[in-house]
Order: sequence, then structure tokens, then C-alpha cells
Amino acid sequence: GAGVSQTPSNKVTEKGKYVELRCDPISGHTALYWYRQSLGQGPEFLIYFQGTGAADDSGLPNDRFFAVRPEGSVSTLKIQRTERGDSAVYLCASSLFGGNTGELFFGEGSRLTVL
Amino acid sequence: AQSVTQPDIHITVSEGASLELRCNYSYGATPYLFWYVQSPGQGLQLLLKYFSGDTLVQGIKGFEAEFKRSQSSFNLRKPSVHWSDAAEYFCAVGEETSYDKVIFGPGTSLSVIP
Repeated sequence: GAGVSQTPSNKVTEKGKYVELRCDPISGHTALYWYRQSLGQGPEFLIYFQGTGAADDSGLPNDRFFAVRPEGSVSTLKIQRTERGDSAVYLCASSLFGGNTGELFFGEGSRLTVL
Repeated sequence: AQSVTQPDIHITVSEGASLELRCNYSYGATPYLFWYVQSPGQGLQLLLKYFSGDTLVQGIKGFEAEFKRSQSSFNLRKPSVHWSDAAEYFCAVGEETSYDKVIFGPGTSLSVIP
């Protein structure tokens, strides 16, 4: 499809395990965002890529969280030593230029449950 | 730092009634403002945005929003609600700096009574 694709849609893991979440943005979109949404809350900014580089990673909660976008397209959010508090829906969005001047196109999210 | 508040956690309206969802922001300069909608099982979708110019902004699905600088508000309105409008609505503000960070409010959940 032509939209933002996120995999897996659901992930259940045990406390302490490593998790990778993948985002495939709309083709040609240079800006890519990761947000985290907890139940009943708005999306919380995690990190923003412009091309291959992380322009702003100020929202990553701690050093267990890391994201890459090696070729300027697909991005992977990596969470080490998962904790129960990491349970949330992780949203990816892409934008042609950047969210402040255009529209963010969101995927349906990856729901992470840490047992 | 920028912030967005949405005072109403949940609103219920009857189908055909008018709707207003409130949004207030904290921002030092002229903000970029957005409203997004999240329907069950779907990703967030942009309803409308304000960058500059006319303070009354028209969006998709019959929605409009008015930017009021004096009140630091950007309320979303619709004259006649349809059952399909039931969803979660998020107000958002663009970061003041150049790197396009968008901050979202906590959301308002809308229920529509047939």
C-alpha cells in the first residue's frame, strides 16, 4: 500500500527481553517520527529523523531506547531490557518535508505488551 | 517548552448536534497548530492546520477551527455531528525551532448518540 507500514502490529514479550519495531514510511518522505502512546494519552514524541540522521532524539526516555534509519527510508526502533512500563502503542509517522510545515502521515502502530 | 491542553477528556453529543472541542496551547511565538483524529483501528489523520493568515481554518469532513491568539486557543468545531465522527481528537502544536517537532495534547474522546 501507499501508507506508512508498521510491523509487527502486536508484540508480546517478557520483561528483560530485546524488541525491534519496524516502520516503512511513505516513499519519498524524508522526515520520519516515532511517538509512543499510552492508554488514554496523546502521542508522546520520541525521535525525529531527517534523512538518515536523527535530528532530535530528546524524547527517548533512556538509553534502553535506540532508533536507526540507515538508508533514509525504513526505520527500526530498538528497545533493550524491556520493562513493564514500556508497554504502549508505538506510532511511526512520515512527512514529505517535516511535521511543522506539512502533514504527518501515521501508521496504525505497533502495540507492545511487556509481561 | 511548548505544551497543549485539552480540558475535556470525554464529550458526548447527539447526532446532528453541533460540536466544539477545546484546545489551549502554551507557546512563545506564532504557533503552528493542528487537529488530528484517531478512529478505532486506524492511524491518526490530519483534519486541519493553521500556519498563518486567516484565523478560521477549514478542514476535511466538515470541520473547522479558529485560532484566537488572545485566548491561546484553537478550538475545533462542526455544525452537525455524524455518528461516524465518534473518535479520539488530538490538538497539536509545532515546535518553535526549525526541526519540525510536533507536540500532541492528551486528546478528547467523542461519543455520538444516534
